[in-house]
Amino acid sequence: GNSVTQMEGPVTLSEEAFLTINCTYTATGYPSLFWYVQYPGEGLQLLLKATKADDKGSNKGFEATYRKETTSFHLEKGSVQVSDSAVYFCALSDLRDNYGQNFVFGPGTRLSVLP
Amino acid sequence: DTGVSQDPRHKITKRGQNVTFRCDPISEHNRLYWYRQTLGQGPEFLTYFQNEAQLEKSRLLSDRFSAERPKGSFSTLEIQRTEQGDSAMYLCASSPSGRAYEQYFGPGTRLTVT
Repeated sequence: GNSVTQMEGPVTLSEEAFLTINCTYTATGYPSLFWYVQYPGEGLQLLLKATKADDKGSNKGFEATYRKETTSFHLEKGSVQVSDSAVYFCALSDLRDNYGQNFVFGPGTRLSVLP
Repeated sequence: DTGVSQDPRHKITKRGQNVTFRCDPISEHNRLYWYRQTLGQGPEFLTYFQNEAQLEKSRLLSDRFSAERPKGSFSTLEIQRTEQGDSAMYLCASSPSGRAYEQYFGPGTRLTVT
């Protein structure tokens, strides 16, 4: 079955540091890949997505590239801010699934950014 | 667009009691999903609706769980005879027709079974 693995947290960085959160996946089909973010006390928000190999998703300074050869979708940001402190979830969905029921999430990585 | 809302935000109940949660999706979204999230884990799919039809249920959804979406608007998730293992965050999400990957999540209902 499909699965997602993320680097374990928590990750603690100083403001303006470079961020990488690793994500690798296992899928039998043709997945789309996503990063969701969950701020304290809030629901999950879609951060960025990529629907095919070599696509780069980007939003709010975050980027991730769909690497089929390494089955990875690592999240990066060049300069983090205190406001980026949250839990980040990598997820996949099978493109053949028209209804979204095969949405699989990783365990999440907690990021804390210190001023 | 007021987003997905869930009620209550927190629920504490004693083992054996029944609980019901409500989810109001974004109004124009025809698909609605329920997930369960335990501490330190990502959301796990429970069930989803397209309009009022419940189209898929996870094996995680035992016969003590039931979900409804009358008239294709809000949805309820009921847990009967709660167990301590049911303690979790229950998340609702909705998505627009043709874009199932754009799932918009509510803030969740945190259930604690004592």
